[in-house]
Amino acid sequence: DAGVTQSPTHLIKTRGQQVTLRCSPKSGHDTVSWYQQALGQGPQFIFQYYEEEERQRGNFPDRFSGHQFPNYSSELNVNALLLGDSALYLCASSSYGTGVQPQHFGDGTRLSIL
Amino acid sequence: GESVGLHLPTLSVQEGDNSIINCAYSNSASDYFIWYKQESGKGPQFIIDIRSNMDKRQGQRVTVLLNKTVKHLSLQIAATQPGDSAVYFCAENIWGGTDKLIFGTGTRLQVFP
Repeated sequence: DAGVTQSPTHLIKTRGQQVTLRCSPKSGHDTVSWYQQALGQGPQFIFQYYEEEERQRGNFPDRFSGHQFPNYSSELNVNALLLGDSALYLCASSSYGTGVQPQHFGDGTRLSIL
Repeated sequence: GESVGLHLPTLSVQEGDNSIINCAYSNSASDYFIWYKQESGKGPQFIIDIRSNMDKRQGQRVTVLLNKTVKHLSLQIAATQPGDSAVYFCAENIWGGTDKLIFGTGTRLQVFP
């Protein structure tokens, strides 16, 4: 039973560039959430996707956008990269409407901005 | 691997002792709480959860206690092992919402022989 998988594992970009990160949810899950984790801090919620729609958004600028595909996989796009965007980006999946359950996380993409 | 938290509160315990990690949560409307373990270079791993209609829940070697009156959560690890060394986060959620998790600061657990 494959868990949450993310790609790539590491990425180096320069300021002003754009980046796309990818996530495949755990088998049987249909909801994907994205989090940003700065060094030394807890993960911060970016947004969540269900049925290919953004359901809720955290306090992140619209440089951060996403997409969910019919197979429930998801992408996180960040435009006009800033130095402060350097972080570990985590994807978590869950199953909507099946009661109380924890989100399951992937191992993240480490994004470094030079 | 890279360090998850360089300046987190740290709890150092001897192998075989019990560990208690504390967390204060922020939203009195939160009704679902989760403890995650994060090892260096990895994503958060689910340990145990608890609903607000409970004040204690036990798993294998772990127990979570919830005190809603003071908005406090604790994780107890029995017979701590070297493999328990990691950063531990509590997360809160308002069930019926959109699964948005709010994470605490995190505590680094170091187990020494």
